[in-house]
Amino acid sequence: KAGVTQTPRYLIKTRGQQVTLSCSPISGHRSVSWYQQTPGQGLQFLFEYFSETQRNKGNFPGRFSGRQFSNSRSEMNVSTLELGDSALYLCASSSYPGSPAGNEQFFGPGTRLTVL
Amino acid sequence: DAKTTQPPSMDCAEGRAANLPCNHSTISGNEYVYWYRQIHSQGPQYIIHGLKNNETNEMASLIITEDRKSSTLILPHATLRDTAVYYCIVRALRMDSSYKLIFGSGTRLLVRP
Repeated sequence: KAGVTQTPRYLIKTRGQQVTLSCSPISGHRSVSWYQQTPGQGLQFLFEYFSETQRNKGNFPGRFSGRQFSNSRSEMNVSTLELGDSALYLCASSSYPGSPAGNEQFFGPGTRLTVL
Repeated sequence: DAKTTQPPSMDCAEGRAANLPCNHSTISGNEYVYWYRQIHSQGPQYIIHGLKNNETNEMASLIITEDRKSSTLILPHATLRDTAVYYCIVRALRMDSSYKLIFGSGTRLLVRP
C-alpha cells in the first residue's frame, strides 16, 4: 500500500507570495491533518479534514487555509508568505478519526518551504 | 489532551535495550498513550499505542503503569537506525473527535556504536 505522498518536496518562495501544498493520503484514509515543524516551535498542528470538512484547527493565522477533496486528497495554502513561514510542512492521514480501539496516524515526508 | 513530560535526551549502546520514560500524570480514563519517532528531516513514524495494558509489536514494547500516570517505551535491541527523536503523546479518543496530535519536545535518543 502506498504511503502518504506530498508534493512538492521542496519549495522556495519570496515574501508576499502565496503557496499551495498537496497531500495524497493512504488509499482508504479519510482523515488528513497538517502540521508545521520549525526549529523554534517544534511540531504544531495546523488543521484536520475529514470528509471534506475541517474538523479542527490549530492556533495559526487566517493566512493558513486548507481544503479536502472528495477523493480525500488535501491541499493547504499559505497566502502573503512571511519569513517565519519557512518550515517543514507535514501531512498525515488516518483511517478513522475516532475509532475507539485507537488508530495511528501516518505521516508523509513533508514539504520543505523556504521563504526568502 | 493531557500534557506529557520526557527527558530531553538519552543514549544507549547498540544492541542494548533502550528504555524511554514518559510522565503523563494528568491522563484521563479515555486517553491513549501514543509513541512516535522522527528520524532527522523525515516525517514522524508511528511506533505503538496503548490504553492501560502493556503492548508489544515488531518495533517496540509499551509498558504503562497501573495508575497510568507514566509509561516506558522499550526498544529491545537498539540499532544505530533507532537514533531519532521520540515523542510520547496522550490523545483522547472519542467517536466524534478529530485527529489532532500535540507534540512536545520529545526525547532525543542517540544509539552509540
